[in-house]
Amino acid sequence: GNSVTQMEGPVTLSEEAFLTINCTYTATGYPSLFWYVQYPGEGLQLLLKATKADDKGSNKGFEATYRKETTSFHLEKGSVQVSDSAVYFCALTGGYQKVTFGIGTKLQVIP
Amino acid sequence: DTGVSQNPRHKITKRGQNVTFRCDPISEHNRLYWYRQTLGQGPEFLTYFQNEAQLEKSRLLSDRFSAERPKGSFSTLEIQRTEQGDSAMYLCASSFVGGGGDIQYFGAGTRLSVL
Repeated sequence: GNSVTQMEGPVTLSEEAFLTINCTYTATGYPSLFWYVQYPGEGLQLLLKATKADDKGSNKGFEATYRKETTSFHLEKGSVQVSDSAVYFCALTGGYQKVTFGIGTKLQVIP
Repeated sequence: DTGVSQNPRHKITKRGQNVTFRCDPISEHNRLYWYRQTLGQGPEFLTYFQNEAQLEKSRLLSDRFSAERPKGSFSTLEIQRTEQGDSAMYLCASSFVGGGGDIQYFGAGTRLSVL
């Protein structure tokens, strides 16, 4: 079956630091890949997506590239802000199907 | 469009009681999903509907759980004879199949605490 493995947190960074959250996946076929973000007290929000190999998803300064050869979809941001503090979930779907999520990585950005 | 709406936001109940949650999807979304999220974990799939038909149920969905989407719009998730292990955040998501995308939009969830 499908599965997603992401680095466990918490990750604590100073403001303006570089962020990487690693994510690898196991899936049959050609899944779509996602990063969702969950701010405290709020629901899951789609941060970015990529639907095929070598696609780069980007939003709000965050980026992730669909790497089929390494089955990875690492999340990066060049300069984090305090407002980026949240839990980040890597996820995949096989197309019009249920989403399989990773465990989530809590990010805390300190001023 | 106000997004996916879930009610109530919080529910506290005693073990053995029945509870029901409601989800209102984004208008005209034909797929509706239920997930469960426990503390420190990612959401896990429970079941989903296309219009009013329930197409898949996870093995996590025991006989005490039942979900309906009677008119293909809102959905309810009922848990009978609640147990402490049912304490979790229950998330609803909706999507539109046929538009070329597969993005699920999530509600804020219903947090259930079973005492």
